[in-house]
Amino acid sequence: KAGVTQTPRYLIKTRGQQVTLSCSPISGHRSVSWYQQTPGQGLQFLFEYFSETQRNKGNFPGRFSGRQFSNSRSEMNVSTLELGDSALYLCASSLEGLSSYEQYFGPGTRLTVT
Amino acid sequence: GNSVTQMEGPVTLSEEAFLTINCTYTATGYPSLFWYVQYPGEGLQLLLKATKADDKGSNKGFEATYRKETTSFHLEKGSVQVSDSAVYFCASTSGGSYIPTFGRGTSLIVHP
Repeated sequence: KAGVTQTPRYLIKTRGQQVTLSCSPISGHRSVSWYQQTPGQGLQFLFEYFSETQRNKGNFPGRFSGRQFSNSRSEMNVSTLELGDSALYLCASSLEGLSSYEQYFGPGTRLTVT
Repeated sequence: GNSVTQMEGPVTLSEEAFLTINCTYTATGYPSLFWYVQYPGEGLQLLLKATKADDKGSNKGFEATYRKETTSFHLEKGSVQVSDSAVYFCASTSGGSYIPTFGRGTSLIVHP
């Protein structure tokens, strides 16, 4: 079974631009969660989508948004990029969501904002 | 709020040495506790978990015991291998929420 895939793997953007990251979950998984990993703040939860609905949300500004499609693929969008948004963005999929505790992570998208 | 503190790395060991990575948490209610491992260039993988006090999670020779009295979940392995070199993350949920809070990660380097 194929794992979680994230595209692109690396991205360089300029401050003020917007960016869209994509995540394809493991086949059959209905939940996709997004995390931001930085040296300063560590790994922080952004949001979780389950069957196209946002089910949980972390403490991030509204510039961070996401959506999930009917095939469970998910996208995350960051608008008006700031230098501090430079990070590794990880997505994780699970069959039934966070309550199952069994999350499978992708390799991440490394975003650099200049 | 919920927080997880784990020992700073890197932890450098020789092959077959004993490993301990300390992890303590603050959380309300009855959290569940986890250890994840991240190999270079890969995403996190769930290594083991414990969902109630005194539970012992174990996998691939690693184990950790949920100690509510000391709010700890230390990771141990009796004999590490070079292939165990990775970054290890401790995580917990807080009572009533399934959103995990992660520690900063501890890098483990095992030399032959």
